Amino acid sequence: EAGVTQSPTHLIKTRGQQVTLRCSPISGHTSVYWYQQALGLGLQFLLWYDEGEERNRGNFPPRFSGRQFPNYSSELNVNALELEDSALYLCASSPGDRVGEKLFFGSGTQLSVL
Amino acid sequence: QQQVKQSPQSLIVQKGGISIINCAYENTAFDYFPWYQQFPGKGPALLIAIRPDVSEKKEGRFTISFNKSAKQFSLHIMDSQPGDSATYFCAAIAGANNLFFGTGTRLTVIP
Repeated sequence: EAGVTQSPTHLIKTRGQQVTLRCSPISGHTSVYWYQQALGLGLQFLLWYDEGEERNRGNFPPRFSGRQFPNYSSELNVNALELEDSALYLCASSPGDRVGEKLFFGSGTQLSVL
Repeated sequence: QQQVKQSPQSLIVQKGGISIINCAYENTAFDYFPWYQQFPGKGPALLIAIRPDVSEKKEGRFTISFNKSAKQFSLHIMDSQPGDSATYFCAAIAGANNLFFGTGTRLTVIP
């Protein structure tokens, strides 16, 4: 069974640019979660999608947005990149039961903003 | 406000020693406490979890101790190995989808 896949693995952007990160959940999982992991910091919750709808978002500005497609894959978009957006962006999927009890993470996209 | 407080931030243990990571919470609605393990360059992976109706859960060299009255729980890694070197996150869940992570502990096991 394939795990959660994320692309690209690494990305370098400059301030003010826009970026799109992609995530494919485990087959059969309907929920997708996005987390930001900045260097030395923990896991900061960004967004939760389930059945194509945004269910919850963390304390991030509106320039962080995303969507979930009918096949449950998801995109995370970040507009007007700032230096502090440099981080590892992790996607996780869940089969729809309680989040965290069965949360499967991808290996992440390392974003560097110069 | 950090819902789950984790300590220490980093930990260095000799091979064969016991690694102990502690977490504390205030919200009595939490009813599931997982631990995630993250190796460099990888996403976190569920390691072990406990419900508050038990005081201890053991899986191999990994043990969770849970103190409901003190609202504390801890991860013990017995006979720590260099391969255990990773970042460990405790977490707590309330309701259907309220998951809160601790800030993480970077464990280094020295050969």
